[in-house]
Amino acid sequence: EAQVTQNPRYLITVTGKKLTVTCSQNMNHEYMSWYRQDPGLGLRQIYYSMNVEVTDKGDVPEGYKVSRKEKRNFPLILESPSPNQTSLYFCASRAGTGSGGELFFGEGSRLTVL
Amino acid sequence: AQSVTQPDIHITVSEGASLELRCNYSYGATPYLFWYVQSPGQGLQLLLKYFSGDTLVQGIKGFEAEFKRSQSSFNLRKPSVHWSDAAEYFCAVGAGSNYKLTFGKGTLLTVNP
Repeated sequence: EAQVTQNPRYLITVTGKKLTVTCSQNMNHEYMSWYRQDPGLGLRQIYYSMNVEVTDKGDVPEGYKVSRKEKRNFPLILESPSPNQTSLYFCASRAGTGSGGELFFGEGSRLTVL
Repeated sequence: AQSVTQPDIHITVSEGASLELRCNYSYGATPYLFWYVQSPGQGLQLLLKYFSGDTLVQGIKGFEAEFKRSQSSFNLRKPSVHWSDAAEYFCAVGAGSNYKLTFGKGTLLTVNP
């Protein structure tokens, strides 16, 4: 089954404790992206990757890091989480790098930073 | 840069009634346009998309959307709403040099029995 898998789905952590949210897709997609969803703000792009070893900032990259060492994986790293990073995070992928392709989403990771 | 506006934050309709969710975009050329649906606790699922050609596009679950260039709009419609349609709906535009998908803030749909 074609899917984007995120882990963990739910996480409560404390300020400053490094964490990684993993994302893996099994569709051989070139493009991957991270979004955060906050009430009243919709989805905002954090980082994206056009292919292996190619990453770039989205609209709200501060406080986040990513890496793309393999085509299927695109982990999101919070080096020193803060309460304003409490949010619902989505990983997404699509075939090719053109803007017309369908974006496939994971089920989301709800992060709470105390 | 592109932008998307969904004017209605929350809409309530009765089951069986018709539905129209509004979406306006801002972009210098014709963008790629999408509607996604998010059920509670779920990720986003693509309902339909517009790239070019026929301005009325059909999607899954009985939804359709009409692209109107003169109004920079891409409104989503359904003739008869079912209780299972209760969800949050996001309009999105795909454009720009980094092929980013920009989302509106969403419209929450409540369906009354």
